[in-house]
Amino acid sequence: DVKVTQSSRYLVKRTGEKVFLECVQDMDHENMFWYRQDPGLGLRLIYFSYDVKMKEKGDIPEGYSVSREKKERFSLILESASTNQTSMYLCASSYTGRSKETQYFGPGTRLLVL
Amino acid sequence: AQKITQTQPGMFVQEKEAVTLDCTYDTSDPSYGLFWYKQPSSGEMIFLIYQGSYDQQNATEGRYSLNFQKARKSANLVISASQLGDSAMYFCAMNEDTDKLIFGTGTRLQVFP
Repeated sequence: DVKVTQSSRYLVKRTGEKVFLECVQDMDHENMFWYRQDPGLGLRLIYFSYDVKMKEKGDIPEGYSVSREKKERFSLILESASTNQTSMYLCASSYTGRSKETQYFGPGTRLLVL
Repeated sequence: AQKITQTQPGMFVQEKEAVTLDCTYDTSDPSYGLFWYKQPSSGEMIFLIYQGSYDQQNATEGRYSLNFQKARKSANLVISASQLGDSAMYFCAMNEDTDKLIFGTGTRLQVFP
């Protein structure tokens, strides 16, 4: 069974804090993704990584950075958290070149920035 | 322009009835895939069904079927014999021969007894 885990289910941070969201997958997937989910907006791609140390900006990368030092781990970093980054964050992973296969999602992190 | 459009923010259905959740898409790529996901209140995204643009038949998975009308660019999800546990958010998504998915805004389905 594919497993994608995220470091926290719920997180409360203060404005200006540096925030790390970690995602780990155990299926040797090349691709990893970070999405943000907001009511009425669906899921929007923040960043995508197709290999270790490789990354690509998604639709809403502003205010975020990512790190992928190991294949199984993909971190999302909020350098200076702001209240408009309060949201649900979902990590996903998939194999490269298997576009007919689903991405596998983690349970999500609900982040509240005060 | 929206690539994936889900026009129903919310739907109600009585238990044991069938329900259709609408999804239209916009692409000029001849090769694409369409996915449906379920998201219960707990938050995890559960893959339900996939339809490829070249698939001749509509996809089915148990109580889920995808009504794929290529000319109309629609990929509606049909849930037969609704159950209380079907209450959730449902998302339609598409990829255009890449590994990245584009999601719609979702439909919240409520099943009542």
